[in-house]
Amino acid sequence: SQQGEEDPQALSIQEGENATMNCSYKTSINNLQWYRQNSGRGLVHLILIRSNEREKHSGRLRVTLDTSKKSSSLLITASRAADTASYFCATDAGGNNRLAFGKGNQVVVIP
Amino acid sequence: DAGVIQSPRHEVTEMGQEVTLRCKPISGHNSLFWYRQTMMRGLELLIYFNNNVPIDDSGMPEDRFSAKMPNASFSTLKIQPSEPRDSAVYFCASKLALGDEQYFGPGTRLTVT
Repeated sequence: SQQGEEDPQALSIQEGENATMNCSYKTSINNLQWYRQNSGRGLVHLILIRSNEREKHSGRLRVTLDTSKKSSSLLITASRAADTASYFCATDAGGNNRLAFGKGNQVVVIP
Repeated sequence: DAGVIQSPRHEVTEMGQEVTLRCKPISGHNSLFWYRQTMMRGLELLIYFNNNVPIDDSGMPEDRFSAKMPNASFSTLKIQPSEPRDSAVYFCASKLALGDEQYFGPGTRLTVT
């Protein structure tokens, strides 16, 4: 089964800087999704990008998808302390209604 | 809508005891998922339901785990008997239609001593 794998695993940045994290996967997908998890909380959906899309924006978030390389990136611009969280990518291969989650990427934004 | 509701939020029990976790999905959502999250294994899908019917339970680790969805607004995950290695955070999630995002509950933190 496919599995999203985020890189880097942990990132520490200063407030105001941009944070970029990558995700790779192994098989064809219908869409790829990014989720955020604050400590002690459930995952929150951030953005979904479909296989026929290359880039998508939502507020300070920018997601790219390269299906030829089977990879995606999530960019958080002008980071804030409140962005401190773990970020997961999840792939939807379609047909079976399930998501395959990566191991997560811990981002710490220092005020 | 209150979102996905899970209870209890925390559960501490002794090895060998039965544990029942509960989930109320968002009204109108027709798919429900149970996940387990640990530091070692990350987020694992245990089982999911479509229209109250279990579709894929290949992630259920052992026969000690069972899940039911008697109606569209309620699901349970039961562990009997519980073991220390079952300690984890268990999440329930629901979604409306194929391909849409999933909405997660706050999780139940289970500690088995």
